[in-house]
Amino acid sequence: DAGVIQSPRHEVTEMGQEVTLRCKPISGHDYLFWYRQTMMRGLELLIYFNNNVPIDDSGMPEDRFSAKMPNASFSTLKIQPSEPRDSAVYFCASSLWEGRWETQYFGPGTRLLVL
Amino acid sequence: DAKTTQPPSMDCAEGRAANLPCNHSTISGNEYVYWYRQIHSQGPQYIIHGLKNNETNEMASLIITEDRKSSTLILPHATLRDTAVYYCIVRPEYSGAGSYQLTFGKGTKLSVIP
Repeated sequence: DAGVIQSPRHEVTEMGQEVTLRCKPISGHDYLFWYRQTMMRGLELLIYFNNNVPIDDSGMPEDRFSAKMPNASFSTLKIQPSEPRDSAVYFCASSLWEGRWETQYFGPGTRLLVL
Repeated sequence: DAKTTQPPSMDCAEGRAANLPCNHSTISGNEYVYWYRQIHSQGPQYIIHGLKNNETNEMASLIITEDRKSSTLILPHATLRDTAVYYCIVRPEYSGAGSYQLTFGKGTKLSVIP
């Protein structure tokens, strides 16, 4: 069974450009999470969805960031316009609610560099 | 407001058992202990979780003390591929939207040595 799939794996862009990161969760999972990891701040939860509906976006740093989940098998995280401080590794994770807990499975990440 | 305390680094000889400790002295009755690891340049990988009882799966064993204030992750026969940062995370049984946050601390950097 394929795990969480993310694309692209690496992205280099210039300040001011729009960046779109993509994620395909594990089939059958009902939760999807976007995280960002930097050396300074560690791993931060940006937003998560349940059954394609955004539940908590309190971690989204500012209005330049937006996330969508148009269907159960696809989600995007968009940064417009991008800034050098957005350089980080962005992870997508998915999970299945099991009644009392859920276990998050992470994708390989997208390494973003904004010049 | 760290909920867990782990040693910053450990070494383990290849083929030997790696025992990674975690202190969670303020854990509540409905909080689970989760372990994840992150191999360099990869996404965090789920290892195991437990509430009270010891747990074992194909990757590792989790030993939780009777008072639940500490736990140990055991990799029975460490290989070079187990070199990673290991995170011990305490999180509650579902109690609302905020329960889904996985708070990763600094973890333990395990180096498996040939």
